[in-house]
Amino acid sequence: RKEVEQDPGPFNVPEGATVAFNCTYSNSASQSFFWYRQDCRKEPKLLMSVYSSGNEDGRFTAQLNRASQYISLLIRDSKLSDSATYLCVVRPSGSARQLTFGSGTQLTVLP
Amino acid sequence: DAGVIQSPRHEVTEMGQEVTLRCKPISGHDYLFWYRQTMMRGLELLIYFNNNVPIDDSGMPEDRFSAKMPNASFSTLKIQPSEPRDSAVYFCASRANNSPLHFGNGTRLTVT
Repeated sequence: RKEVEQDPGPFNVPEGATVAFNCTYSNSASQSFFWYRQDCRKEPKLLMSVYSSGNEDGRFTAQLNRASQYISLLIRDSKLSDSATYLCVVRPSGSARQLTFGSGTQLTVLP
Repeated sequence: DAGVIQSPRHEVTEMGQEVTLRCKPISGHDYLFWYRQTMMRGLELLIYFNNNVPIDDSGMPEDRFSAKMPNASFSTLKIQPSEPRDSAVYFCASRANNSPLHFGNGTRLTVT
């Protein structure tokens, strides 16, 4: 089983739609969680961290469910510019462990 | 802040040749990472350094791959000899302690 699993998509949604991605992780002791965004042929960039109580940044809402070991990203009122691949990222416990990236979920927002 | 700088942006080489990828991390960042990204395997951590010292190289695929960090502002990833299956985008990334990871633009390597 992969450490971090995502539905690869693609998700094709009309402009203005609400779309949600889920991600599951296998290490129950994982400490930190993030969503990164990667545009085509570009480098990944941090979109937002995910906090235990859930957090919101404009149209983006991230939630963490430790009991079920999944995190989610909700995008409201999607824009054409939201088209990208969204990477779920987990940092397992232990100081020597570094970030583990999911393989990404591809989103295309259609006009 | 110039960000993480990688060179070259693109590299096309023939099988068997030596390839050297270069990275300059963000000043003040004491962690440096080398990742490889392919369609099949996604983003894979190859090796990372802390204060110029290699900490975990378990992701390096085989002995043909080596990485060095001679000082805080420079790192190289070398593949010798290169093979077609090494074709991928190689990213360098850096971060300070407890700060987000910043990626370079990547080097797109094609081995023919």
